[in-house]
Amino acid sequence: DAGVTQSPTHLIKTRGQHVTLRCSPISGHKSVSWYQQVLGQGPQFIFQYYEKEERGRGNFPDRFSARQFPNYSSELNVNALLLGDSALYLCASSPQGVIRENTEAFFGQGTRLTVV
Amino acid sequence: AQSVTQLDSHVSVSEGTPVLLRCNYSSSYSPSLFWYVQHPNKGLQLLLKYTSAATLVKGINGFEAEFKKSETSFHLTKPSAHMSDAAEYFCVVRHGSGNTGKLIFGQGTTLQVKP
Repeated sequence: DAGVTQSPTHLIKTRGQHVTLRCSPISGHKSVSWYQQVLGQGPQFIFQYYEKEERGRGNFPDRFSARQFPNYSSELNVNALLLGDSALYLCASSPQGVIRENTEAFFGQGTRLTVV
Repeated sequence: AQSVTQLDSHVSVSEGTPVLLRCNYSSSYSPSLFWYVQHPNKGLQLLLKYTSAATLVKGINGFEAEFKKSETSFHLTKPSAHMSDAAEYFCVVRHGSGNTGKLIFGQGTTLQVKP
């Protein structure tokens, strides 16, 4: 079975540009979450989506947005890129629809975004 | 609010010696705790999770963790380190209220294994 897949794997953008990152969850998983991992730090929660609805949002500016499609894949969009947006963006999917306490998340390899 | 603190940013051991990576948690109720590992330029892989069924949790690749409520700790151990264990390790707690399901990561511990 394929794991969580993310595209692209690497991306270089210029300040002020817009970027779209894509994620396909494990087959049968309905919940997708996005995390930002700045170099040398632990991942920080950005969004969670379940059944195409936003179920959680982290402390990120409105330049960050996301959506989930009927096939449960997801996109993360970032507008007006800043140098500080350079990071590894990780997508995670979870098997249960209603997240229970001990449900682990399965992570993709991430998209490395560099803003210059 | 829930949080985790990894007490060491960097741990260095010799191959074949025990590994101890320390994690303390803060939670207002029974926490959902995990350890994830991240190899260079790779995504995150689950090592083990605490499910309240047992305080000693066994994971992959010979790793274990013991949940100690009295000490609010969830330390990760391995009896004998292997070169392939060199990686970044994250202690994680799941934010459990409602169904947001977000994971809260510690700062990470870099494990170096010397030959």
